[in-house]
Amino acid sequence: ETGVTQTPRHLVMGMTNKKSLKCEQHLGHNAMYWYKQSAKKPLELMFVYNFKEQTENNSVPSRFSPECPNSSHLFLHLHTLQPEDSALYLCASSQETSGRASEQYFGPGTRLTVT
Amino acid sequence: AQSVTQPDIHITVSEGASLELRCNYSYGATPYLFWYVQSPGQGLQLLLKYFSGDTLVQGIKGFEAEFKRSQSSFNLRKPSVHWSDAAEYFCAVGALWDGGSQGNLIFGKGTKLSVKP
Repeated sequence: ETGVTQTPRHLVMGMTNKKSLKCEQHLGHNAMYWYKQSAKKPLELMFVYNFKEQTENNSVPSRFSPECPNSSHLFLHLHTLQPEDSALYLCASSQETSGRASEQYFGPGTRLTVT
Repeated sequence: AQSVTQPDIHITVSEGASLELRCNYSYGATPYLFWYVQSPGQGLQLLLKYFSGDTLVQGIKGFEAEFKRSQSSFNLRKPSVHWSDAAEYFCAVGALWDGGSQGNLIFGKGTKLSVKP
């Protein structure tokens, strides 16, 4: 595997279900990100992990719970979601060194549908 | 505050015609600038980036972009568009890490490109 991979690619879940999205980066990067992309909205940054520590949480509802067990893996745990949470969830990684954001490499995304 | 504006929501060009997608940014210092492309249902792919130096940057797939500090712009260009270029294009600026939070990319809302045969 190369680059950034995400599983599953598609997920349909009911509002009472619990599921997890997985992201793995094979680039040796030290920062990972979760984004939400809805049909009518720009990319929304949800969570940032730098050196495995969460450094930003952009006021994301608690029904989304991130986990970063090591610098290569990132999870997004989902529970009791709402229909408006249906979106494309993108994972990205980057190598942060100079205190300024460098290029991020994105996975293919997970298309989530909440019924 | 840092921001990125892509004034065109949707552009249609004929195959073989030239293309220019506009991007304006607001940033207090010399920015890091990026262009990404996204095909339907896919992730974002980096086309090119500008950090410093030559203001005309070459990228993949025949794209280039020019940084113009006086106009706060970083427009994307391609001399001859192919049908496979139909996608959504995002401009982004790299925010400065202020010591309290991670330096992140700030994305524009995107420009959807359609290509007529």
